[in-house]
Amino acid sequence: GQNIDQPTEMTATEGAIVQINCTYQTSGFNGLFWYQQHAGEAPTFLSYNVLDGLEEKGRFSSFLSRSKGYSYLLLKELQMKDSASYLCAQRDSNYQLIWGAGTKLIIKP
Amino acid sequence: ETGVTQTPRHLVMGMTNKKSLKCEQHLGHNAMYWYKQSAKKPLELMFVYNFKEQTENNSVPSRFSPECPNSSHLFLHLHTLQPEDSALYLCASSQDSGRGYEKLFFGSGTQLSVL
Repeated sequence: GQNIDQPTEMTATEGAIVQINCTYQTSGFNGLFWYQQHAGEAPTFLSYNVLDGLEEKGRFSSFLSRSKGYSYLLLKELQMKDSASYLCAQRDSNYQLIWGAGTKLIIKP
Repeated sequence: ETGVTQTPRHLVMGMTNKKSLKCEQHLGHNAMYWYKQSAKKPLELMFVYNFKEQTENNSVPSRFSPECPNSSHLFLHLHTLQPEDSALYLCASSQDSGRGYEKLFFGSGTQLSVL
């Protein structure tokens, strides 16, 4: 089966920049999603990439390289409220979502 | 009012109990989903309903029984569960589960503990 790989946990400092990587198998690729999930809350949509390049939305940006099977989520000017899990999900050729296990991001003052 | 509402937020049940999880969406979407989220594991898709018709059942044990009476409501009926079924159960909705770009809207989930 297809696997999505992302780090289990990352730690960063308030005000800094952090990059969360996600790798996937390139066969049957049909889009890449990022969701944010605060502890005990619903996952919420952050970004969607289907073409190569960087998509910027305020402090958050998402990058995709289809040939490398690679995406990253870039968070700038980190705030304490950015402490959450970040879920990467690939949509395959059958429009099914394949989820990563999530990256828990811890922000320290 | 949140877009997708799930009740109860927490549920503790014995293995012989019968309980139901409820999900309601106020977004006018046509597709609804049940996901299971276990600690440090990827989200597992359980069931998909599109226009009230079940379009996906990912080999889920029969002790989980979904019901979708209309496009706004989704239930998950539980009976004779096992301790390994303890997890966060998430409901989600989207405009349509068919082709095209689909963004999911999730509820906050029901944290289920089976004793």
